[in-house]
Amino acid sequence: SQQGEEDPQALSIQEGENATMNCSYKTSINNLQWYRQNSGRGLVHLILIRSNEREKHSGRLRVTLDTSKKSSSLLITASRAADTASYFCATAYTGANSKLTFGKGITLSVRP
Amino acid sequence: DSGVTQTPKHLITATGQRVTLRCSPRSGDLSVYWYQQSLDQGLQFLIQYYNGEERAKGNILERFSAQQFPDLHSELNLSSLELGDSALYFCASTQYLAGGAPGELFFGEGSRLTVL
Repeated sequence: SQQGEEDPQALSIQEGENATMNCSYKTSINNLQWYRQNSGRGLVHLILIRSNEREKHSGRLRVTLDTSKKSSSLLITASRAADTASYFCATAYTGANSKLTFGKGITLSVRP
Repeated sequence: DSGVTQTPKHLITATGQRVTLRCSPRSGDLSVYWYQQSLDQGLQFLIQYYNGEERAKGNILERFSAQQFPDLHSELNLSSLELGDSALYFCASTQYLAGGAPGELFFGEGSRLTVL
């Protein structure tokens, strides 16, 4: 399978703590994306990082990409109860007709 | 609001039946993706269209088919439905980045299919 694999599968933290989620993938990518999904809703794009980038920030989100290790991490700082959701990494592989392939997701619970 | 519209939001039907799910992409997006999300399988890529043509195919069953029309809306047809087809079906649209890789996907709210 070409899909990314997230780690851990579930994460429970206290409000105010940082949450770190990891994603590993198998072959060369053009870009890697992180999405968030609230229960039963559509996925919402958080951040896209290209293969030639190493780090990107968006508000309280920080994404890193290590192409040598074929891995990415998503850091949410100063978490809030409203951050409780599932988080997915998605990889766009190089090559013609590249599609976006999703991992199984990480369930994040932020306790108030 | 992502700009992607999916109908119907909920659908309950019986085994053996056929249903059609509809998706209107975000204005200006030529590419449409269909995904199936079930509890045990995660988000599974089904099929992708670009400007009316099939571009990539995933784990789509032969009982399922899709198309993208000239006005860019897309339909996913599910036939001979089985209990295991109960899932959330998402449509997403995107534009392509330079080099042909998909950019940010904009997801609809999904169509929840329940097969009894």
